[in-house]
Amino acid sequence: DAGVTQSPTHLIKTRGQQVTLRCSPKSGHDTVSWYQQALGQGPQFIFQYYEEEERQRGNFPDRFSGHQFPNYSSELNVNALLLGDSALYLCASSLAGRVSGNTIYFGEGSWLTVV
Amino acid sequence: SQQGEEDPQALSIQEGENATMNCSYKTSINNLQWYRQNSGRGLVHLILIRSNEREKHSGRLRVTLDTSKKSSSLLITASRAADTASYFCATGGGNKLTFGTGTQLKVEL
Repeated sequence: DAGVTQSPTHLIKTRGQQVTLRCSPKSGHDTVSWYQQALGQGPQFIFQYYEEEERQRGNFPDRFSGHQFPNYSSELNVNALLLGDSALYLCASSLAGRVSGNTIYFGEGSWLTVV
Repeated sequence: SQQGEEDPQALSIQEGENATMNCSYKTSINNLQWYRQNSGRGLVHLILIRSNEREKHSGRLRVTLDTSKKSSSLLITASRAADTASYFCATGGGNKLTFGTGTQLKVEL
């Protein structure tokens, strides 16, 4: 049973460029969330996707956008990259409806470096 | 923004000793979770404690929750070198979690 998989694992981009990160949820899960974790900090919630729609959003600018596909996989897009976007981007999945006590599974993350 | 903070920020102990880390949070909660993160990798769920529970055990882990003080503690007994990692507390529901700043634990041989 595959867990949450993310790609790529590492990438380097230049300021002003755009990046797309990908996530496949754990088998049987239908809800995907994305988190940004700067070095030395805890993860911060970016947004959540369910039924191909953004359901909740954290305090992130519109440069951060996403998409969920019919097979529940998801993409995170960041436009006009800034140096401060350098971070580990984590994808998490769960099964909708089990809110209380829901165990959330995280992927290994994608390391983004903006130079 | 972070929900709260873990204390201490860093902890170094010898193998076999117990490690205790604390977490404070700001808002009312339904449950609190603890996660572990090996260096630069994904988060692994350790344990969840509900707001009506005061203590919970899982193997070498013991978690307490004091909702009146808005705080929780994680105790790792008989630590091992493999326990070296960052530990985070998290509150929230569904996939939307709010994490603390983490405690970096180093267990030395």
